This record gives sequence, structure tokens and C-alpha cells, in this order.
Amino acid sequence: SAVISQKPSRDICQRGTSLTIQCQVDSQVTMMFWYRQQPGQSLTLIATANQGSEATYESGFVIDKFPISRPNLTFSTLTVSNMSPEDSSIYLCSVTDTGELFFGEGSRLTVL
Amino acid sequence: AQSVTQLGSHVSVSEGALVLLRCNYSSSVPPYLFWYVQYPNQGLQLLLKYTTGATLVKGINGFEAEFKKSETSFHLTKPSAHMSDAAEYFCAVGYGGATNKLIFGTGTLLAVQP
Repeated sequence: SAVISQKPSRDICQRGTSLTIQCQVDSQVTMMFWYRQQPGQSLTLIATANQGSEATYESGFVIDKFPISRPNLTFSTLTVSNMSPEDSSIYLCSVTDTGELFFGEGSRLTVL
Repeated sequence: AQSVTQLGSHVSVSEGALVLLRCNYSSSVPPYLFWYVQYPNQGLQLLLKYTTGATLVKGINGFEAEFKKSETSFHLTKPSAHMSDAAEYFCAVGYGGATNKLIFGTGTLLAVQP
């Protein structure tokens, strides 16, 4: 099974700033995904990070707010831009390996 | 469109009692269904999944779930709760019939009382 590491594990940020979350996988994977888990709510898919091309965003999420990079098959970043308190969430990286979806431990962001 | 409904955001059981966590889904295509568990400050871990075949699916830690098409349900059960089962449980359906893009329910927080 894939092992996923995310950095930072948690952070407190000021309104209007941006933060980049890193996701490192211990093996090459074709598909990487970014999810958001808002307080008291379920997980929502933000986008699929495609290696060598632009990310594919789900309805309600845009590249200007959540730019994503996928420079190779083991790494991706998600940036949360111009943050507001509504962006306070856990952001989770996930990957597909052997037909199963694996998740990182998440990055818990609090925006003041 | 696919969606998932979990009845009961909080469930409390006594240690040794039956665990029943409810999940209903809607899907316009044959569904792929999943249960994940999330322990405090950890990522999600797959408990079990239904794709095709046998409708009673056994997972890790003694959990199982039964796919009932007529009821559009995929309830999670465990005969005897253990203190270590205390966690949040998420039901999910594959997005557009996929197994790697999931739509999640709102989660059920399971408390186990001694």
C-alpha cells in the first residue's frame, strides 16, 4: 500500500496569505487527488492532480484559488490562495494504488 | 448523480454490543461502495469495499457490510464493539462508477462506552 506524507501537518495562517501543502508518495502513482474536509463536514474532492498537465477541478473549485502542481509521479502541491476563515479545513492528499484509494494524514489549516 | 446519506452523525454503543452504522446511496450507475474509518488526527483508512460479486463484504477489524440494491443501502456492522473502534466512519460511493474518485457521506462518530 502507498505511504503518503503531507507537510505541514497543521498551520495557523493570517487572512489574505497563501499556503502551499506538499504531498509525497513513496511510490510512483498515476493519479493523485486533493480533498477538503471542512469542520464537522465530510470530504469534498477539490481536484485531480495530473502529471504533466493542468489539474482537473471539480465544480465549485477554481485554479486561481487552489493552484496545484504535479511535477512528477510521486509529488504534488496544493496552494490555498488569499485565505479567509472559510478556508479553515483539513486538506487531504490521496492516491490510487492497486485500485484502492489511500489518504495522507491531512494538513489542518486554521485561518484567523 | 451519486450521493451518500449517513443516518446519525453520532452513535454510542456499549463495549461488546452490536455496532450498526447506516448508509444509503443514490447512483445512476451500478455503485462502487466504500467504508472508511478515521481515527483522531489520522488519515482515512479503508475498512471495506463493494465493487461486484458477493453482496456481503468483510473488512478489517471484524467489520462487514451488506450491499442491498433494493434498499439502496450499505450498512456497516460489527457484532461486538471494542473500545478501539471509537472513531469517525465515512461511507462513500464511487464518482461516476469510479473506484478512485469518491463522494463521501457526512460521517458518523462512533463512541464506545465501557
